[in-house]
Amino acid sequence: KAGVTQTPRYLIKTRGQQVTLSCSPISGHRSVSWYQQTPGQGLQFLFEYFSETQRNKGNFPGRFSGRQFSNSRSEMNVSTLELGDSALYLCASSLAGSQNTEAFFGQGTRLTVV
Amino acid sequence: SQQGEEDPQALSIQEGENATMNCSYKTSINNLQWYRQNSGRGLVHLILIRSNEREKHSGRLRVTLDTSKKSSSLLITASRAADTASYFCATTANAGGTSYGKLTFGQGTILTVHP
Repeated sequence: KAGVTQTPRYLIKTRGQQVTLSCSPISGHRSVSWYQQTPGQGLQFLFEYFSETQRNKGNFPGRFSGRQFSNSRSEMNVSTLELGDSALYLCASSLAGSQNTEAFFGQGTRLTVV
Repeated sequence: SQQGEEDPQALSIQEGENATMNCSYKTSINNLQWYRQNSGRGLVHLILIRSNEREKHSGRLRVTLDTSKKSSSLLITASRAADTASYFCATTANAGGTSYGKLTFGQGTILTVHP
């Protein structure tokens, strides 16, 4: 069974631009969550999607948004990029995102904003 | 913000020795998971322990959970150089819908195993 796939692996963007990251979950998994990892703040939860609906959201500004498609693939968008958005963005998939299911992560997309 | 604290922040041992990492958390949880991360890459799932479990084993890994103390430990026995990585604990809160898909991570322990 293929794991969680994130594309692209690396991105360099300029301040003010926008970016879209993609995540394909494990086959059969319907929940996709996104996380931002930085040296200063560690791993922080962005949002979770299940069956094309955002069910949960972390404490990030509205510049961070996402969506999920009917095949459970998810995209995350960051608009008006700031230098502080430079980070490793990780997505995780699980069967249902409920409270006792394991979450499996992709390799991440490393975003650098210059 | 991070819920958990991990202890120690860094651990350096020789191959063959055991490594123990501790994690504390603040709220009531449904489960706790441990992950490994190599050099800023993706997180590899190691083990999940539910709040009604006290101990779990997987290969060379042993995880304990003490909900009364809100703490967990990860023991890696007979460590290898390939175990060198950062290790994170992550909790799922017992908070109904607000916990959907949300893991709260500790700051991690950096483990270095010398050959």
